[in-house]
Amino acid sequence: NAGVTQTPKFQVLKTGQSMTLQCAQDMNHEYMSWYRQDPGMGLRLIHYSVGAGITDQGEVPNGYNVSRSTTEDFPLRLLSAAPSQTSVYFCASSVTTDGYYGYTFGSGTRLTVV
Amino acid sequence: SQQGEEDPQALSIQEGENATMNCSYKTSINNLQWYRQNSGRGLVHLILIRSNEREKHSGRLRVTLDTSKKSSSLLITASRAADTASYFCATATDTGRRALTFGSGTRLQVQP
Repeated sequence: NAGVTQTPKFQVLKTGQSMTLQCAQDMNHEYMSWYRQDPGMGLRLIHYSVGAGITDQGEVPNGYNVSRSTTEDFPLRLLSAAPSQTSVYFCASSVTTDGYYGYTFGSGTRLTVV
Repeated sequence: SQQGEEDPQALSIQEGENATMNCSYKTSINNLQWYRQNSGRGLVHLILIRSNEREKHSGRLRVTLDTSKKSSSLLITASRAADTASYFCATATDTGRRALTFGSGTRLQVQP
């Protein structure tokens, strides 16, 4: 099992450029989410999805779009990159077991916006 | 906003010693989870404790939860150099939404 796969692992963007961070999971998890992690801080939720065709905003959604056309994929789009979006981005998925759930995380995408 | 706050922010111990990390949170929760993050890697789920549970064990890990004080602790017994990592608590307040809110983490350094 590959688990949660994120690509690319590293990316440098210029201010104003757009790009898509890819996330794929092969565990048939219905729930997927995107977090960003900044130095010395925990993870902050950007967007999440409880199933194909359903997405919702998290704590810090501005400047990001998501879609969930399949159970496996949950891409994160940066519309017009800004230096404030320099961060490490993590995708995570989960499935409910007995009403409770733990997350499986990808290895992250380190993004620098210059 | 940070729901969970870990204490201490950093901890350095010798191999074989026990490590205790604390987490406080602000609102009622459904469950609380602990994760480990090795440098430059993703987070790994360690243990989940439900709001109606007071203590849970998994190998060398012991987690307690006190909902009256809105706090949790993670104890790692007989620590090893390989335990060096950052540890995060995360709270779940709504099983329907299933979003976790993470604290800022405790950096644990285990000296060989």
